[in-house]
Amino acid sequence: GESVGLHLPTLSVQEGDNSIINCAYSNSASDYFIWYKQESGKGPQFIIDIRSNMDKRQGQRVTVLLNKTVKHLSLQIAATQPGDSAVYFCAASTQGGKLIFGQGTELSVKP
Amino acid sequence: NAGVTQTPKFQVLKTGQSMTLQCAQDMNHNSMYWYRQDPGMGLRLIYYSASEGTTDKGEVPNGYNVSRLNKREFSLRLESAAPSQTSVYFCASRRGGEQYFGPGTRLTVT
Repeated sequence: GESVGLHLPTLSVQEGDNSIINCAYSNSASDYFIWYKQESGKGPQFIIDIRSNMDKRQGQRVTVLLNKTVKHLSLQIAATQPGDSAVYFCAASTQGGKLIFGQGTELSVKP
Repeated sequence: NAGVTQTPKFQVLKTGQSMTLQCAQDMNHNSMYWYRQDPGMGLRLIYYSASEGTTDKGEVPNGYNVSRLNKREFSLRLESAAPSQTSVYFCASRRGGEQYFGPGTRLTVT
């Protein structure tokens, strides 16, 4: 079946450094991808999305890169701050607007 | 706008008890979803409703039923709770590709 996986369950970075969180997906028909941030005790919150006709999309301090050849996407966070500490999920679209989620990477930011 | 709201926030059930988790959205979205999230795992889709009056099974529907009461409300029912249903439950609604999530219901079944 379809799957979405993250490469690392945890990531620890120093405040001010850049963070890179990776994700792989299995369904080459997926045409839409989203990154969510989930803080403790809260629901997932949208960060940034990208459609399959794009390779890169930038937001405020975040960039998502999509490599359709190897079915891989990444989330880059510039100048990581303590408030960025959370679990990050990637999700890939399936038929009917459903999303398949990866297991999540827990980002810890050291002051 | 309140966005997506869920009640209750916490619930403890005994095995075999039943309960209904409530979800409402005020964004006039057509599609709504119920997920469960277990420790160390991503969200898994239980049921979804593409529009008022329709519901479909997701990845893990066994042991659950849903009702799309109207465009705003989408409830999830556990008829006979089991310890394996201990989880955090999230409701979401969708506009375009993006899904908006509620704050979750933490359910423990003993």
